[in-house]
Amino acid sequence: AQKVTQAQTEISVVEKEDVTLDCVYETRDTTYYLFWYKQPPSGELVFLIRRNSFDEQNEISGRYSWNFQKSTSSFNFTITASQVVDSAVYFCALSGTNTGNQFYFGTGTSLTVIP
Amino acid sequence: NAGVTQTPKFRVLKTGQSMTLLCAQDMNHEYMYWYRQDPGMGLRLIHYSVGEGTTAKGEVPDGYNVSRLKKQNFLLGLESAAPSQTSVYFCASRASLPRTGELFFGEGSRLTVL
Repeated sequence: AQKVTQAQTEISVVEKEDVTLDCVYETRDTTYYLFWYKQPPSGELVFLIRRNSFDEQNEISGRYSWNFQKSTSSFNFTITASQVVDSAVYFCALSGTNTGNQFYFGTGTSLTVIP
Repeated sequence: NAGVTQTPKFRVLKTGQSMTLLCAQDMNHEYMYWYRQDPGMGLRLIHYSVGEGTTAKGEVPDGYNVSRLKKQNFLLGLESAAPSQTSVYFCASRASLPRTGELFFGEGSRLTVL
């Protein structure tokens, strides 16, 4: 079974604080891909990152970083020095090579950054 | 480059009415998807297509039909709308290679069924 769990429904932080969004996944595939998408208040879905199951290196892009740990089946997303523009709903998603036609999304985490 | 375009953006229907949502992509992608987004439910797959002339059911297909007569278009139909189908609908597409490339989404279509 393929499943993505985002246990944090809503998070509020004060601007400039760091925040980590959790993503835990379940899959039987040995090769799979994990994704993060951002949905700002305007409603569109913006692709942030794709990571394959063979690459456990952490990735940093500006204030964004991702921590992939196969041992705990987690792909967490950290925003450093949060800004009001980071306020959005963030979705984690999974796609396996055996189910490569389908993507499985978590229920999303709504992040509010308070100025 | 338009990417993925959905029409209409907004629609209000009465229970029992029918309608079609159109998704068009100009990236020559093989795979296309229809999702619905409801509060607290995330994105749930309705139907998808792996190529022209093919369709398959997703997680929540009941009450919807789809067609992929042309590679660039993926239509989602509601034959007899119900209030439970009030939602925001997203179309997405992706290339066939790599096999798990990211999805490109349209801007969404907000449907209200009264």
